[in-house]
Amino acid sequence: AQSVTQLGSHVSVSEGALVLLRCNYSSSVPPYLFWYVQYPNQGLQLLLKYTSAATLVKGINGFEAEFKKSETSFHLTKPSAHMSDAAEYFCAVSEGFQKLVFGTGTRLLVSP
Amino acid sequence: NAGVTQTPKFQVLKTGQSMTLQCAQDMNHEYMSWYRQDPGMGLRLIHYSVGAGITDQGEVPNGYNVSRSTTEDFPLRLLSAAPSQTSVYFCASSQTGDESRAFFGQGTRLTVV
Repeated sequence: AQSVTQLGSHVSVSEGALVLLRCNYSSSVPPYLFWYVQYPNQGLQLLLKYTSAATLVKGINGFEAEFKKSETSFHLTKPSAHMSDAAEYFCAVSEGFQKLVFGTGTRLLVSP
Repeated sequence: NAGVTQTPKFQVLKTGQSMTLQCAQDMNHEYMSWYRQDPGMGLRLIHYSVGAGITDQGEVPNGYNVSRSTTEDFPLRLLSAAPSQTSVYFCASSQTGDESRAFFGQGTRLTVV
């Protein structure tokens, strides 16, 4: 069975600092991996996805993630945090057909 | 605007009451699903449908019923609400075969007292 582990329910950074949100997955087949962002009182928005093409995936709002099969990881990064990045971020895995399995989420806090 | 529409946005129920959460999409997507979001647990799949007339259970289906009589609509029914069903519910849709393009509604915040 596939699963996702997000390390850290909360991550705090200063504006301009590097953002690193961790995600490790477990899957018996080559996975599809996703990062979603949820702003307060809103639904989920797709940030980026990995579907077995390039291992370094670039998404919206300056975020990117690298698929590392040897580490079963798909960490999300952004070189310089902005106040508007404060939100909750979810990593998700799918073995193909829309049945997304989500991690428990990481709330990103950005301080001035 | 095209997308996934959920109604109501907020609802308070008494234990034992029934209600239906509505979900509609106008993108002609075949796949629709319902998730519940609880603190520290992420989103968990309740039920999903791969097309009109076809539904299946997800990870946490107990206490919920669904039907898919049309492509556009995928209502979620609580027959006898329980406090454990207090949660935020999200409906999502996507075109079959393109799981990366799931569109999510804005959620329904349900409180059962």
